[in-house]
Formats: sequence, structure tokens, C-alpha cells
Amino acid sequence: GAVVSQHPSRVICKSGTSVKIECRSLDFQATTMFWYRQFPKQSLMLMATSNEGSKATYEQGVEKDKFLINHASLTLSTLTVTSAHPEDSSFYICSASGQRGVSTDTQYFGPGTRLTVL
Amino acid sequence: GNSVTQMEGPVTLSEEAFLTINCTYTATGYPSLFWYVQYPGEGLQLLLKATKADDKGSNKGFEATYRKETTSFHLEKGSVQVSDSAVYFCAHSNAGGTSYGKLTFGQGTILTVHP
Repeated sequence: GAVVSQHPSRVICKSGTSVKIECRSLDFQATTMFWYRQFPKQSLMLMATSNEGSKATYEQGVEKDKFLINHASLTLSTLTVTSAHPEDSSFYICSASGQRGVSTDTQYFGPGTRLTVL
Repeated sequence: GNSVTQMEGPVTLSEEAFLTINCTYTATGYPSLFWYVQYPGEGLQLLLKATKADDKGSNKGFEATYRKETTSFHLEKGSVQVSDSAVYFCAHSNAGGTSYGKLTFGQGTILTVHP
């Protein structure tokens, strides 16, 4: 149980385009989803926290107009990187925590999405 | 503030060696403690957790004990395998306030196990 998927696993796009990454909790209801960014050989950097049906809370220094987060249902959150540039290239990982059948204090992570902006 | 400090790597061991990766933390309240493992090119997988003092988390031969008196959660395994090669992250949950539910991660420790 507590499986989180991400799609796509890998995406290459041109500079100036927008990219949408989906995060789904497959077998539990995720009341809270988190979006992280990871640079090579570094730890995870929390970008934002989203609760179902409400606006995401962004960490300091993260541009909310650039990284649009939508958490429309208890099983789906999306991260849209708008007008992507090469410096946005990174590994993006989502996680989810929830209720009913999973530990509420535990985050379950997706497999990550490798974004490359040319 | 909240922080997690892990033993610096990389750690290189021979198969069947004993593993310890140290982890200490600072936190307000009574956080839950976690070890996550990340294999190359993948997301994080929960390895084990402990939710209160003196709890021992264990999984796949790995163990860690929640030591409140030393604010530590060291990861150990008696006999490592090549397949254990990965990056290991220690983390704690934030127990209250506006950061409730968030995780504070250590910097990660790269483990390489040679045959």
C-alpha cells in the first residue's frame, strides 16, 4: 500500500514552453501533497505544500507564478513549470500523506520526474 | 530551529561488513524519525521509522533506535549487500506550528558496497 506515481518520468522540452507533472496517490487519499526539487548529489528542497481544495503554500524563494501547483482531488496534484528555462532542469519529486489506511505522519514519495530544458 | 545532521559520506564497504550511518537532529516537540533510501534515478522509499522515544524501527535488516536523550537515530545493518548501495536520508517530521507535517532532511549519505 501507499503507492505514489508520477508522470512523466522524464521530459525534455524547449526553453519557453510549459511542462506539467502529475502526482497521484494510487491506493490512498492524499490530503496533503508536497513537491520537492533535488539537485545532483544533494538533498531534497521542499518547494511547496498543497492541501486538497486549497491554494498551495510555497517555501521562501520559490516563485509561485513559475511553479503552479494544483491539488484538485484527494488523489491528484499537478506541478506546472511555466516558461521553463535551462536553470529549471532538475529532478522533481512529489510526496503524499493522508488518512485512512496510511500513517498520517509519513510521507510516501513518487519515483520522480527528470526535467531537462534545452 | 529544526535540523538533521548526517554522517558525511561517501561510505564504501565490502559485502557483509557492518554499517552505521549516524544521524542527529534538533527539533521542537516530539517528532517522528525516518530513514529513507534513494536508488539511482529513483524517488525516495521509506526504509523505516520510529514515532516515539526508545522505539526501534526495522526493515530489510536495517535498524534504528529513537534516542531522545542523545537526539539520535543512527542507522545500522549487520551485513550489507551490494544491492544496499544507494543514498540514505535521515529525516524528522515537524511536530507542530505552521510546519506541521513537513519533513526536515539530512544531507544524505552515499553508500557503496563492493563485492
